[in-house]
Amino acid sequence: DTAVSQTPKYLVTQMGNDKSIKCEQNLGHDTMYWYKQDSKKFLKIMFSYNNKELIINETVPNRFSPKSPDKAHLNLHINSLELGDSAVYFCASSLQDSLSLGYTFGSGTRLTVV
Amino acid sequence: GQNIDQPTEMTATEGAIVQINCTYQTSGFNGLFWYQQHAGEAPTFLSYNVLDGLEEKGRFSSFLSRSKGYSYLLLKELQMKDSASYLCAAYNNAGNMLTFGGGTRLMVKP
Repeated sequence: DTAVSQTPKYLVTQMGNDKSIKCEQNLGHDTMYWYKQDSKKFLKIMFSYNNKELIINETVPNRFSPKSPDKAHLNLHINSLELGDSAVYFCASSLQDSLSLGYTFGSGTRLTVV
Repeated sequence: GQNIDQPTEMTATEGAIVQINCTYQTSGFNGLFWYQQHAGEAPTFLSYNVLDGLEEKGRFSSFLSRSKGYSYLLLKELQMKDSASYLCAAYNNAGNMLTFGGGTRLMVKP
């Protein structure tokens, strides 16, 4: 049973399109995240979300929006895709009161914008 | 703001010991994590330090000095499969987020 699962694993799309990446966790965690890893392998936080609060990294363009239908899901919507959005996007989850257990990451979605 | 520094690349020999250093400057600091990431895969959790000192877990140990803003990951009895990127990350209580350094790419040679 996969703990944090993302779909799709690969996504190739044209500039200007709108796309979504889905994420689900079955760990009973209360907080979920989206990270972007660029070609230089730098892992940057985009969003942190639990059922009380959404925290947005101020450097993230507003074309990116997280949507959480319930505690186990945090989807990422991207509007008007640009070439610079090409990267690997990782979803992660954690239990806020059990930090010592760390974050659990999904296997990533490789987005290529052409 | 957050600033986390670690070397970009390191090379070591199979069977040896290697130490990967990390320095951080972050407000609201509440813990230092190390993750391992093999090429094309997800980061996997290695260790967590919140108090000063050394935490040992098998071949891997992690050290933290809060007063110096410094941590290291020690890998003993290196194996070829240890070739990967090692990511240092600081937890910020205020933003409830884990901020990662750029990662250290470790190459283990026979």
